[in-house]
Amino acid sequence: EAGVTQFPSHSVIEKGQTVTLRCDPISGHDNLYWYRRVMGKEIKFLLHFVKESKQDESGMPNNRFLAERTGGTYSTLKVQPAELEDSGVYFCASSPGQMANTGELFFGEGSRLTVL
Amino acid sequence: AQKITQTQPGMFVQEKEAVTLDCTYDTSDQSYGLFWYKQPSSGEMIFLIYQGSYDEQNATEGRYSLNFQKARKSANLVISASQLGDSAMYFCAMRESLKAAGNKLTFGGGTRVLVKP
Repeated sequence: EAGVTQFPSHSVIEKGQTVTLRCDPISGHDNLYWYRRVMGKEIKFLLHFVKESKQDESGMPNNRFLAERTGGTYSTLKVQPAELEDSGVYFCASSPGQMANTGELFFGEGSRLTVL
Repeated sequence: AQKITQTQPGMFVQEKEAVTLDCTYDTSDQSYGLFWYKQPSSGEMIFLIYQGSYDEQNATEGRYSLNFQKARKSANLVISASQLGDSAMYFCAMRESLKAAGNKLTFGGGTRVLVKP
């Protein structure tokens, strides 16, 4: 069974440009999460989808960030326009609709974003 | 607000020895979950072990055990018989109220472990 996959693995863009990160969760997982780790800081929650609906987007830093999950399958996270402080690693995670007792999240390898 | 503190930024451990990674947390919730994840150089976060706040026994998963001391608000990870493949970054994380929907985790800053042969 394929795990959570993220694309691209690394993106280098200039300040003011747009970048779109993609996440393919484990097939059948209704829950999809975005987290990010900015340099020198802790991993922070961004938002949570249940199927195609945004369950919790309290961690989204500002309106330059737009997340979508059309059809409840893969998700995209767009940053427009990108700023220097957006540099970091963006993680996607998924979990089944009926969470196991552990509530374990399955993470991807992350997309590293570098804004110059 | 919830907070996770990992006071050890990095540590060395000799192969085959045990190592303890510290984690303390702060929350006002009565029900919560504590996780440990491993992040090898590949970048993927790998789930290791989980402890629920109402679990009376310390969680164990193979060579991993969680030393849960609720009164002290600590959830230290113990790795026994360290292997070279254990070299990685380790994150402690906490889930908000288990009654809430979703799995919004609060992470600590991580501890980098390097196992020496």
